[in-house]
Parts: sequence; structure tokens; C-alpha cells
Amino acid sequence: GENVEQHPSTLSVQEGDSAVIKCTYSDSASNYFPWYKQELGKRPQLIIDIRSNVGEKKDQRIAVTLNKTAKHFSLHITETQPEDSAVYFCAASGDSGYALNFGKGTSLLVTP
Amino acid sequence: KAGVTQTPRYLIKTRGQQVTLSCSPISGHRSVSWYQQTPGQGLQFLFEYFSETQRNKGNFPGRFSGRQFSNSRSEMNVSTLELGDSALYLCASSLVSYNSPLHFGNGTRLTVT
Repeated sequence: GENVEQHPSTLSVQEGDSAVIKCTYSDSASNYFPWYKQELGKRPQLIIDIRSNVGEKKDQRIAVTLNKTAKHFSLHITETQPEDSAVYFCAASGDSGYALNFGKGTSLLVTP
Repeated sequence: KAGVTQTPRYLIKTRGQQVTLSCSPISGHRSVSWYQQTPGQGLQFLFEYFSETQRNKGNFPGRFSGRQFSNSRSEMNVSTLELGDSALYLCASSLVSYNSPLHFGNGTRLTVT
């Protein structure tokens, strides 16, 4: 089945710096790649997603890039703020398209 | 619009018992998926339902089962509970499910003692 690797598992940055989280996937049929943010004790929430026909997508301070040839995609957060502190999960669609395979998460800490 | 509602929020059960969790999707969403979240394994896919049909199932033992009703509400059942079943069970709904954004509920925290 699909395997999604996510790195790093923890990331600490100072407020205002950029943060980058990287994921790789194994199934070349995957064509949908969402990112979720989960604050402590709360539900995962979609922050951005990208489909395989697009190489990059941006939404204010958040951007995602996709390299289908290399089977990796990345989340970029610029001008980080303390409220960006959370666990971030990448995911890739499975072979059926009806399930998402998640990475194990990156715990991001933004210190003032 | 109300979000995905999961009940109960917390459950404590004993090994060997069985449990049923409930999920009400966002109005108009016909696809419901279930995920198990544990600290070591992240989010793992259990199953997905659309129009009362299970379309995909994850790599979990047969003790884990689910169903969807005609109003799109879904239940999942775990029989013969084991200690390792302790986890946060998340339900998510989406409009069409295929490569669509998932909207998660707050989850049911199951503790097996």
C-alpha cells in the first residue's frame, strides 16, 4: 500500500522565520496531496491541498510544492507566528482515491 | 452549517467488550471515512462509506466494522476490545470523497483497560 514519509518529526523555529516540512510518497498513482493542521486537543483541519496537475500552490503565508517525478511534496510557512504552533500532517491519496494515507506528523513550535 | 459530530467524546471500556461509535457528517456530505489516531502511528485509515456502501477498507482486523445509514450517518463498531485499540477515532466527511478535502470531527477518545 501507499507509504508516506514525513520529516522532520519535530521542528522549532523563531517567530518570523520560515518553516519547511517535507513528505515523500510511494504510489505513483497518487494525485491529491492535502496538508492538515492539528492543534492540541482539536480536530485536524485542512490548511492547503494540491493536485498532481499543479506544481505549486500558495495561500497567504502558506505554500505547497509538488514534484511528481521525485514523489515528494513540501509545506512552506513563511513569517511564522506563535499560533502556527501545532502538529502538521501531510497526506497522499491512495490507489482507490477514497482514502488518504497520512504521514506521522511534524510538531512545529514557534517561539516568540 | 454544523460540522461533523461524533459521539460520545470519551469512552472507557474493558478488554473483551465491544463498542459502537457514531458520526453525523456535514449536511449534504455523502462520504464518511474513519481514521484511528495514535501517538506512534499517526492517522490510519479504517474504512470509507458512500451511499451506504463500503468502498474501501484499511488494514485493520475484522473486529473493526462499520456501516452507513440512508441519512449518511455512520457508525463504527469494535468487538473484543484489546488494549491496543486505545486511540482517538476520527470521523471525516466529504462531498464526493474521491480526492476531496476531508472535514474531521472532534473524535471519540477510546480507552481500553
